[in-house]
Amino acid sequence: QQQVKQSPQSLIVQKGGISIINCAYENTAFDYFPWYQQFPGKGPALLIAIRPDVSEKKEGRFTISFNKSAKQFSLHIMDSQPGDSATYFCAAPGDSGYALNFGKGTSLLVTP
Amino acid sequence: NAGVTQTPKFQVLKTGQSMTLQCAQDMNHEYMSWYRQDPGMGLRLIHYSVGAGITDQGEVPNGYNVSRSTTEDFPLRLLSAAPSQTSVYFCASTPTYGGGFGELFFGEGSRLTVL
Repeated sequence: QQQVKQSPQSLIVQKGGISIINCAYENTAFDYFPWYQQFPGKGPALLIAIRPDVSEKKEGRFTISFNKSAKQFSLHIMDSQPGDSATYFCAAPGDSGYALNFGKGTSLLVTP
Repeated sequence: NAGVTQTPKFQVLKTGQSMTLQCAQDMNHEYMSWYRQDPGMGLRLIHYSVGAGITDQGEVPNGYNVSRSTTEDFPLRLLSAAPSQTSVYFCASTPTYGGGFGELFFGEGSRLTVL
């Protein structure tokens, strides 16, 4: 079973600061690495994803950085806002290619 | 466009009872899956399906059964509920699978308590 290790478990950042969440994976059937955002009482929703023909992808304040040789990727949230307070999950495809395996999640709190 | 619809949203069962969590999607997605979410454990895959008539096990399949008779529906059956199955269950679908995973669209979840 594909292991996806995510850290930290929780994170507190002041408004305007940078939030950084890290993920490490084992072997994958193909390269596709998404981050999902989940608000309380809701299902997860895709935030941003990278297919690593590039080492970095940016969408607004959210950036994925990818290091294929180290099998690691990270999410950077620039100018963090209280509305970013949520749980964030990284994910990676399993060996079979038919499953998306998730990390254990990071609870982010952005204080005013 | 309703997306992925799960019912019921809340359910309380007694140990040993059986029940079915319903999942329906109206996006004509081939791939559907069930996850359970527990505190500190993230999202763990229970079962998935790559099309009507095709299902397979994920990471934590024991105690659960699935079938896929139509593209739209993917019910999850608890055969004999146990307290360890107390969790929030999410159904998800995507238009692509294997060789190129796409965005998973999640339902809003079904919160199950087994007493």
